[in-house]
Amino acid sequence: GQNIDQPTEMTATEGAIVQINCTYQTSGFNGLFWYQQHAGEAPTFLSYNVLDGLEEKGRFSSFLSRSKGYSYLLLKELQMKDSASYLCAVTGAGGSYIPTFGRGTSLIVHP
Amino acid sequence: EPEVTQTPSHQVTQMGQEVILRCVPISNHLYFYWYRQILGQKVEFLVSFYNNEISEKSEIFDDQFSVERPDGSNFTLKIRSTKLEDSAMYFCASREDGRTSGGFADTQYFGPGTRLTVL
Repeated sequence: GQNIDQPTEMTATEGAIVQINCTYQTSGFNGLFWYQQHAGEAPTFLSYNVLDGLEEKGRFSSFLSRSKGYSYLLLKELQMKDSASYLCAVTGAGGSYIPTFGRGTSLIVHP
Repeated sequence: EPEVTQTPSHQVTQMGQEVILRCVPISNHLYFYWYRQILGQKVEFLVSFYNNEISEKSEIFDDQFSVERPDGSNFTLKIRSTKLEDSAMYFCASREDGRTSGGFADTQYFGPGTRLTVL
């Protein structure tokens, strides 16, 4: 079976740094996506990790360790508009390109 | 920047009625998907479509569901006889023809969704 775990909810202060973790156990792995989803809206692509290590893109960075089945999304200089759900999704489970999504982590940024 | 579009944004229907949800994928993309998200729950895969046929489908995608690409731009999801539990946000997504893993061609781009309410 496929299992993707993320914390349900996190809170942080504007201007701070927050790390959202994701662990996965899947039968196969191609890559790991992070998506941002504001309430009532579509998921929007943030990052895609295939190889181990850190990928940095502006205020957002994503890390992957395939041997540990672990990833994190790092958000720096938090802004109020970063309040959203962050979805971890894995492709390659069972040899498929279809992403299997976690339940998402609801991030609340307060002043 | 090209984007996936979906219509309608909201659809209210009576139980047992048929609904058709429409999507226009990004023009140079070749793989198309439907997902649903019940309020407060995770995004769930329904079906993928490539080369005018279904390539994968989930257990949710039973005989009540069908997909079609009626022309070169539209991609539709039909629910023949809606049930209360079909109430959800339905997202269409598309991606490039990325045969090799590891490329950003694996990335799926989502449309804004259709909120379906079955009464």
